[in-house]
Amino acid sequence: SQKIEQNSEALNIQEGKTATLTCNYTNYSPAYLQWYRQDPGRGPVFLLLIRENEKEKRKERLKVTFDTTLKQSLFHITASQPADSATYLCALEDDKIIFGKGTRLHILP
Amino acid sequence: DGGITQSPKYLFRKEGQNVTLSCEQNLNHDAMYWYRQDPGQGLRLIYYSQIVNDFQKGDIAEGYSVSREKKESFPLTVTSAQKNPTAFYLCASSNAGGGRYAYEQYFGPGTRLTVT
Repeated sequence: SQKIEQNSEALNIQEGKTATLTCNYTNYSPAYLQWYRQDPGRGPVFLLLIRENEKEKRKERLKVTFDTTLKQSLFHITASQPADSATYLCALEDDKIIFGKGTRLHILP
Repeated sequence: DGGITQSPKYLFRKEGQNVTLSCEQNLNHDAMYWYRQDPGQGLRLIYYSQIVNDFQKGDIAEGYSVSREKKESFPLTVTSAQKNPTAFYLCASSNAGGGRYAYEQYFGPGTRLTVT
């Protein structure tokens, strides 16, 4: 069956360190993958899109990798700050966009 | 300001009543979507529309209905047939290209519906 999996447990990271979130998928062959940030009680906000022919994409302190062989995307936040605390969702394209359940990230001061 | 708006933010209804959630966008996007989010669950697609006067069912369309009479508006009706309507409802819009959803989605602030 098709699955898109993100770590369901919250991730606690010390301020200033790099936070790495994982998105794994099975039985999909997406042409691209997206990452969104969602704060409690609010709608998700788009962060980055990476296409299948791109290994890595960067935006300020954010970096996304996309390994179509491993069927995995990694999302990195460098020099993390308490304001980065949120739930991060990955989404892939399969005729329509499919979202993962998200990983809650807590940056500890 | 360009954006996508949903109203109201909180909505309370009695069981057995239909309720309509509003979604408006001024981003000139062709595609619009409705999602439902429950605690611990991801976003589940209810309905989506790529152009005016056309829409398709998503994964959990039963008990819901939509219309797309104008490009800017995509209202969702939660009918009494929906078994568990209490949830956080999110509307989104995006550019639509070539039938593949290769564009980021812009989300509204959401409507929290409680049915008792």
